[in-house]
Amino acid sequence: EAGVAQSPRYKIIEKRQSVAFWCNPISGHATLYWYQQILGQGPKLLIQFQNNGVVDDSQLPKDRFSAERLKGVDSTLKIQPAKLEDSAVYLCASTRREDTGELFFGEGSRLTVL
Amino acid sequence: DAKTTQPNSMESNEEEPVHLPCNHSTISGTDYIHWYRQLPSQGPEYVIHGLTSNVNNRMASLAIAEDRKSSTLILHRATLRDAAVYYCILRPLISNDYKLSFGAGTTVTVRA
Repeated sequence: EAGVAQSPRYKIIEKRQSVAFWCNPISGHATLYWYQQILGQGPKLLIQFQNNGVVDDSQLPKDRFSAERLKGVDSTLKIQPAKLEDSAVYLCASTRREDTGELFFGEGSRLTVL
Repeated sequence: DAKTTQPNSMESNEEEPVHLPCNHSTISGTDYIHWYRQLPSQGPEYVIHGLTSNVNNRMASLAIAEDRKSSTLILHRATLRDAAVYYCILRPLISNDYKLSFGAGTTVTVRA
């Protein structure tokens, strides 16, 4: 079974530029999450999708961050304009609806904002 | 959300057991105890979870105190590959929502 795919793995941009990250969850996983992990900290949830609907985006800085999952499969997280404090690893995770107790994470996309 | 408390770091020698404690004194009767770990430059990966009884799988064992206010993740024979950050997380049983709230975790160092 293929894991959660994310791209790009690394991205360096200047502040005020925009960036987009892509995630393809494990086939059949209805729930998809985006997490932000700043160096030295645990991951922090940004947004949760159930199929193509948003379940929780209370922690998403909506003035600059946006995310979509139009067809209920892959998802894109966008930052525009980026700030220095957005430098972090952006992790995508997915799970089936049934309670398996397990979240599957991708390897993450590391963003550096200069 | 109920919170967990873990030591910042622990060291172990290769092939020795590692006992990682987690305190969750405000746990409710419907909270699962989950453990994830994060290897360097990787996303977190699931280790084990339990509710009331001790649990074993191929990766580790989870020992849950009788009052459920603490638990211990046990790696029976540490290898260099077990060097990682280990997170202890509570998740409500009654929720269909699997989102996890991560703390800072315990950084485990394994000496050869």
